[in-house]
Amino acid sequence: QSALTQPPSVSGAPGQRVTISCTGSSSNIGAGYNVHWYQQLPGTAPKVLIYDNNNRPSGVPERFSASKSGTSASLAITGLQAEDEADYYCQSYDIYLSGWVFGGGTKLTVL
Amino acid sequence: QVQLQESGPGLVKASETLSLTCTVSGGSISNSYWSWIRQPPGKGLEWIANIHSSGTTNYNPSLKSRVTISVDASKNQISLKVNSVTAADTAIYYCARVPGYRSRFDPWGQGTLVTVSS
Repeated sequence: QSALTQPPSVSGAPGQRVTISCTGSSSNIGAGYNVHWYQQLPGTAPKVLIYDNNNRPSGVPERFSASKSGTSASLAITGLQAEDEADYYCQSYDIYLSGWVFGGGTKLTVL
Repeated sequence: QVQLQESGPGLVKASETLSLTCTVSGGSISNSYWSWIRQPPGKGLEWIANIHSSGTTNYNPSLKSRVTISVDASKNQISLKVNSVTAADTAIYYCARVPGYRSRFDPWGQGTLVTVSS
């Protein structure tokens, strides 16, 4: 069982907005550690989508945004496009485990 | 920009030792943190171990007894050894840089698939 909890799947039609939640605890997100989001396209390595809670690396469209509050975080994708179909993972640090933790991943399907 | 490339045997027999190398190019391995992460086929990501170029290490408690991470600064390489492997260790193994203390993984290598056979 992952230290961070994500929904296994979400879906949306092109142009719509979807959100992916990431629920942690007082030993990771709630302890103040940053949350990072990764996009994994089929057959490729994960790539940073959002870092330090709400920052986009250069080249990531403004359609992707994220927030953090308390022991949870969320990723929002607006103007959904076919190429957004991928697996999305949240990640943080856990002081109790003394290590890095991931969410179980969420598969985004564009209908 | 920094690039990472994993290498090692694609097939390992059960009960033996899995050994992988990550070669860093486009930058120095010094003064940085480096990690290994794995992903079983069709499943999620699992952090395995982390090392600073100075040699300081951290291990996932669930794997700590079987895993060793090391760094060779002269070759710009990070290595991983997993002892007594079973089918549950079959996965794509990625190496990644950790650009800050307890931070994110960025960039990642392309990954290498290791299959444990019986």
